[in-house]
Amino acid sequence: AQTVTQSQPEMSVQEAETVTLSCTYDTSENNYYLFWYKQPPSRQMILVIRQEAYKQQNATENRFSVNFQKAAKSFSLKISDSQLGDTAMYFCAFMADSGNTPLVFGKGTRLSVIA
Amino acid sequence: GAGVSQSPSNKVTEKGKDVELRCDPISGHTALYWYRQSLGQGLEFLIYFQGNSAPDKSGLPSDRFSAERTGGSVSTLTIQRTQQEDSAVYLCASSLTPQGFYEQYFGPGTRLTVT
Repeated sequence: AQTVTQSQPEMSVQEAETVTLSCTYDTSENNYYLFWYKQPPSRQMILVIRQEAYKQQNATENRFSVNFQKAAKSFSLKISDSQLGDTAMYFCAFMADSGNTPLVFGKGTRLSVIA
Repeated sequence: GAGVSQSPSNKVTEKGKDVELRCDPISGHTALYWYRQSLGQGLEFLIYFQGNSAPDKSGLPSDRFSAERTGGSVSTLTIQRTQQEDSAVYLCASSLTPQGFYEQYFGPGTRLTVT
């Protein structure tokens, strides 16, 4: 079974600064996908960024980027130029590429961006 | 286009009562997932539907929980004889197919409170 661990229950960052959220996972699968989801107070889960395990290049989406270390089973999220609207819960998630499997989530990191 | 919708948004029920939660996935999405988010926890997989295949019920916590998906579209999650530990946010998600390449789109969730 796959597990996802987020070791930082809460973090804060000053507006315009950079913050990194940590995530580690455990799996015996060779092909899989990793995700970061954002959940603001509205409860709506929003996909922030996705990484395919077979790709060595780290994914980037505007101010969001990941540091994917497959051998270490690590998948951290870096948010640059933090904005007040980035305040939310952030969940790391795993999905095997074998198909017909659900997402496996970590317990989340609550990020507060301070003006 | 329309996203995933869920109803009701909030539900308060007395212990021992039955409740039904509804999910309308994005039109054309063949995969539908139910997750539960308890306070301070990540998302826990409950059940997964793919097309006309038998659902994956491996995440249902007890036989009080059941779900159906009619006509490959709308899904209803039923909790019988509710208990206080059932209090949580219930999230539904759909995707074009179950492969990880395709994003899971989440609904806004139903907050269930059992008194």
